Amino acid sequence: GAVVSQHPSRVICKSGTSVKIECRSLDFQATTMFWYRQFPKQSLMLMATSNEGSKATYEQGVEKDKFLINHASLTLSTLTVTSAHPEDSSFYICSAPLQGATGELFFGEGSRLTVL
Amino acid sequence: GESVGLHLPTLSVQEGDNSIINCAYSNSASDYFIWYKQESGKGPQFIIDIRSNMDKRQGQRVTVLLNKTVKHLSLQIAATQPGDSAVYFCADLTGNQFYFGTGTSLTVIP
Repeated sequence: GAVVSQHPSRVICKSGTSVKIECRSLDFQATTMFWYRQFPKQSLMLMATSNEGSKATYEQGVEKDKFLINHASLTLSTLTVTSAHPEDSSFYICSAPLQGATGELFFGEGSRLTVL
Repeated sequence: GESVGLHLPTLSVQEGDNSIINCAYSNSASDYFIWYKQESGKGPQFIIDIRSNMDKRQGQRVTVLLNKTVKHLSLQIAATQPGDSAVYFCADLTGNQFYFGTGTSLTVIP
């Protein structure tokens, strides 16, 4: 089946540094990818929709300058948490629909970010 | 579904019993729904989906029921096993984006 790979799975960084998380669709092309954030014991919160070749669409309340999204190719989207602070510590998950923006949605394994 | 950031409701069932997990969605225009299972520290895994032109769909040990009148979705797991212990989310497609329900934490008691 379709696979979405996310890297790194865990990252620990110092406050003030930037962290990049990659999301790759391994056996299909994804013009759209979604980035979610998840706090412990809570649901997934959609942060932004990443669009290949154009700007990402951010959900209300998500700072686009804080969470930079780049969808450079049909198989890769990156999320960069800039100047990370402890409150940015969370589980970040990407997903990609198999067929366009409305197909079955496949998820990466998630990236656990801890900011010291 | 729309996440409101609340802590997860929990459901405990005895091994071998059937489980029913419920989800409400708010957008009557949603036409595609998915149930996901998420184990601790991992990304969500697809379980089963259903389109709005259906009211029931069955998979292996799982059944999804859709009631569009009351905007309600349920996931039934037959003969629940310890490996079914996880958090279950419903998601609905609104426009071109998927939104997730609050989720339910299922614990199977051996």
